[in-house]
Amino acid sequence: EAGVVQSPRYKIIEKKQPVAFWCNPISGHNTLYWYLQNLGQGPELLIRYENEEAVDDSQLPKDRFSAERLKGVDSTLKIQPAELGDSAVYLCPQQKGFSYNEQFFGPGTRLTVL
Amino acid sequence: AQRVTQPEKLLSVFKGAPVELKCNYSYSGSPELFWYVQYSRQRLQLLLRHISRESIKGFTADLNKGETSFHLKKPFAQEEDSAMYYCALGGGAQKLVFGQGTRLTINP
Repeated sequence: EAGVVQSPRYKIIEKKQPVAFWCNPISGHNTLYWYLQNLGQGPELLIRYENEEAVDDSQLPKDRFSAERLKGVDSTLKIQPAELGDSAVYLCPQQKGFSYNEQFFGPGTRLTVL
Repeated sequence: AQRVTQPEKLLSVFKGAPVELKCNYSYSGSPELFWYVQYSRQRLQLLLRHISRESIKGFTADLNKGETSFHLKKPFAQEEDSAMYYCALGGGAQKLVFGQGTRLTINP
């Protein structure tokens, strides 16, 4: 389906290494989210942007995670240094449908930290 | 604060039997509830939204504000219904809060 593009699709790194994920949302959507989904669990919000502004980053572990959304379009999420527990799928859904709360999820980026 | 509880981590039923996946929520405002489904090795997909009052793949869910519940039901389970099911709550903060999920297994 057309929609949010995330890359890479898969990433395998060793612990203590840095890693970055990229999200290119649908043009014209001001709101951008990053979620984390651990295996067998529901996604959890890491950060929400309105244009360039991070309006909700209360669950972002700021000691190692950072995010940016320059020009209010693409966004990158970085982890430095990565830990074993960061192995998960990182999702950047798009808003779609009747309300701001309805979100369409792509496959995301699957991170494995060895 | 928004909170979603799915009390059953695992649910196993036989093909043709009725299915009910429980979801309870906590939210002081006007909630929007969703059910998402994730089949093996696939992305998270929206199954139902409460505002549409629709039936998708034979599943229905009714929002009960008095009991703060949004249980997912299907009268006759099929093998292809085996998947992870997540209940999600949207509120004024424009974010989704997900439950921990229920793994549904339909036995032949």
